[in-house]
Amino acid sequence: AQKITQTQPGMFVQEKEAVTLDCTYDTSDPSYGLFWYKQPSSGEMIFLIYQGSYDQQNATEGRYSLNFQKARKSANLVISASQLGDSAMYFCAMRVQGTGNQFYFGTGTSLTVIP
Amino acid sequence: NAGVTQTPKFRILKIGQSMTLQCTQDMNHNYMYWYRQDPGMGLKLIYYSVGAGITDKGEVPNGYNVSRSTTEDFPLRLELAAPSQTSVYFCASSYSKTFNTDTQYFGPGTRLTVL
Repeated sequence: AQKITQTQPGMFVQEKEAVTLDCTYDTSDPSYGLFWYKQPSSGEMIFLIYQGSYDQQNATEGRYSLNFQKARKSANLVISASQLGDSAMYFCAMRVQGTGNQFYFGTGTSLTVIP
Repeated sequence: NAGVTQTPKFRILKIGQSMTLQCTQDMNHNYMYWYRQDPGMGLKLIYYSVGAGITDKGEVPNGYNVSRSTTEDFPLRLELAAPSQTSVYFCASSYSKTFNTDTQYFGPGTRLTVL
């Protein structure tokens, strides 16, 4: 079975500080992709960053980086220099080749950036 | 550049009524998905489609039906609405020539209340 686990229901971070949002995954398929999405209070889903299971380097996109530890099956999102606009729900998701291109989502982490 | 569009944005149904949630994408994506998001929760896959004429069940298909007669459109049909179907519904699409590198693009969501 495929599963994504986000164990932090809520997180707080001081503005300009870095924060790590945890994500662990479970799949026996060797070919998969890991994604992070941001959902602000307005409700839309915004793609942030992607990591492939065969990628050797950790993905980075501006202030976002993905700390991929394959042996531990973790794909933590690191946001550097937090901004007030980063306050939102963050979802980790996995796409597994052997399951017909389904995406599996975690339950999300609510991030609040404190001025 | 419309991306993924959903109509309506909001809808209130009475128990037992039926309705169709519309979803259209203009990116020539072959994969399309319907999710529901209950308050404070992650996304659960209802149905998905890997191309015109092909659909498959996701995690929570009961009470819903879909069709995919064209690449662009993927309507979701609710028959005999129940209060348990009160949720926010997201349509998404992705293009996957190289499978798992492609993210999903989400529509703005439809907020449905069943009373």
